[in-house]
Amino acid sequence: TQLLEQSPQFLSIQEGENLTVYCNSSSVFSSLQWYRQEPGEGPVLLVTVVTGGEVKKLKRLTFQFGDARKDSSLHITAAQPGDTGLYLCAGRSWAGSYQLTFGKGTKLSVIP
Amino acid sequence: NAGVTQTPKFRVLKTGQSMTLLCAQDMNHEYMYWYRQDPGMGLRLIHYSVGEGTTAKGEVPDGYNVSRLKKQNFLLGLESAAPSQTSVYFCASTLPRPNYEQYFGPGTRLTVT
Repeated sequence: TQLLEQSPQFLSIQEGENLTVYCNSSSVFSSLQWYRQEPGEGPVLLVTVVTGGEVKKLKRLTFQFGDARKDSSLHITAAQPGDTGLYLCAGRSWAGSYQLTFGKGTKLSVIP
Repeated sequence: NAGVTQTPKFRVLKTGQSMTLLCAQDMNHEYMYWYRQDPGMGLRLIHYSVGEGTTAKGEVPDGYNVSRLKKQNFLLGLESAAPSQTSVYFCASTLPRPNYEQYFGPGTRLTVT
């Protein structure tokens, strides 16, 4: 069973600060996705990274896929209260292509 | 487009009662999934379907049944609810290409007393 470990589990920061959350595994994934989930809603896809070493930017969010495709990070610059939510990473293995393996998430609170 | 919709949004059941959760998508997606989300456990796959008339077990299928009679609908049934099935249930759908990116419904919060 492939596992994705996310850290930290909880993060509370002041508006304007920078932060990085991590998604790690001992297994290789063919692609990795990041989702954000707000309270009372379903997860919403932010980005998919496919190539080892790939970096994608979405406004103040920067996503990186590790060279070995076993890990990923999400960096947020100058966090805003609207960034508050649960950040989930999800990986697609080579074998189980119908399914995604989800991490348990990082719960981010940005305090105004 | 409504995307993925789920009914009901909230439900309270007594132990032993049965119910069906309905998921509908209007994006013509082939694949559909049912997950449950519990504190500290993340999203766990219950059952999934790769097309009309087909279903398969996920990570935590016990106590649940599913049906996919129409491409746009995926039903999750609880035949005899147990308190351990208290959870938030999410339905998702996806196209197989390019990366199985999933579109989620708003969730159903189920409490079993």
